[in-house]
Amino acid sequence: AQTVTQSQPEMSVQEAETVTLSCTYDTSESDYYLFWYKQPPSRQMILVIRQEAYKQQNATENRFSVNFQKAAKSFSLKISDSQLGDAAMYFCAYLNNNAGNMLTFGGGTRLMVKP
Amino acid sequence: GAVVSQHPSWVICKSGTSVKIECRSLDFQATTMFWYRQFPKQSLMLMATSNEGSKATYEQGVEKDKFLINHASLTLSTLTVTSAHPEDSSFYICSARFRPSGAETQYFGPGTRLLVL
Repeated sequence: AQTVTQSQPEMSVQEAETVTLSCTYDTSESDYYLFWYKQPPSRQMILVIRQEAYKQQNATENRFSVNFQKAAKSFSLKISDSQLGDAAMYFCAYLNNNAGNMLTFGGGTRLMVKP
Repeated sequence: GAVVSQHPSWVICKSGTSVKIECRSLDFQATTMFWYRQFPKQSLMLMATSNEGSKATYEQGVEKDKFLINHASLTLSTLTVTSAHPEDSSFYICSARFRPSGAETQYFGPGTRLLVL
């Protein structure tokens, strides 16, 4: 079974600074997707960024980028120029095309942004 | 991005009653939707996979007769909590599978807070 691990229960960053959230996963598959979702206090799950495993290039979305290390099974999220609105729970998730397309979530990292 | 709605956002009910939660994909068709449950300060726990026109697939430990799922159209899945009890109080979230140009993604509804008295 696939597992997703987020080793940082909480992280803190100063406004305008950069922070990196860690995620590792375990799988024997070669074709899969990885995601980062943000859950603010409203509890709405918001897609931040997606990475296809077959792509070597790291995905970027404005201030958000990932460092995808397939051999190491690592998928970290970097948030640049942190803003107060970035404060939320962040969940790393894994999806296997060949296993019902369901998401497997990590335990989450709570990000606090200091003004 | 694609939009998924959920209704109601809040529900309070008496123990023993049934509650229906709707999940709709507003601007796309979703052959597959998923239902999750989330306890405070915890991650999402997958309850079941809802497939249009067929029976839902439940995760181990989730009671099929307790949590009835119906996916009658390509834009609507419903979760009915039957004979609700206080321990069913939780935050329920649905997601819909979206595959623009073959790229696999799931978008989430805003969630439903259920409180059973």
